[in-house]
Amino acid sequence: EVQLVESGGGLVQPGRSLKLSCAASGFTFSNYYMAWVRQAPKKGLEWVATISTSGSRTYYPDSVKGRFTISRDNAKSSLYLQMNSLKSEDTATYYCARFYGGMDAWGQGASVTVSS
Amino acid sequence: DIVMTQSPTSMSISVGDRVTMNCKASQNVGSNVDWYQQKTGQSPKLLIYKASNRYTGVPDRFTGSGSGTDFTFTISNMQAEDLAVYYCMQSNSYPTFGGGTKLELK
Repeated sequence: EVQLVESGGGLVQPGRSLKLSCAASGFTFSNYYMAWVRQAPKKGLEWVATISTSGSRTYYPDSVKGRFTISRDNAKSSLYLQMNSLKSEDTATYYCARFYGGMDAWGQGASVTVSS
Repeated sequence: DIVMTQSPTSMSISVGDRVTMNCKASQNVGSNVDWYQQKTGQSPKLLIYKASNRYTGVPDRFTGSGSGTDFTFTISNMQAEDLAVYYCMQSNSYPTFGGGTKLELK
């Protein structure tokens, strides 16, 4: 069974950093692009980052470019999102997702609240 | 960025209804549109990929169609368990989602 489990969420002050992790199981992690998608409270879905199978290519929207970094450790079947210079508008549930002809598997989400 | 304009934003429906919603892309995205279902308190689930392909295990009452800039998602025989918010997403360029269509009981 494909499983994605996020961790690392929490309450953080504006301007500070936080790192999310996503542990993958049930599939060959190194064969898939992976992504992070977020959802602000009572809002829609917003793509945050994508990483290639090897990790050599990464992609971001302008809203997080230069502040967020996606990475992966294929040996540990793990995906990461380093979030720096956090803003109140980054408050959201962050989902990791497997990206293959669509985002075909999602984690349960990690809640991030940016507030003083 | 490619903007996905989804309509309507909400629908009041009855069990057994045929439900249709639309997504319009701001530029040609080919067939690179997926449809997702998100029930309250749950993560999104992929239903349709590449405009018209049903994902593994998805009931055949869910269908998708379209190409270019105009896409349609249909539930042929609405069931109570289909109450959710539905999102389209294009992946022809950096992924962008539509604003969602919320299905509510009449």
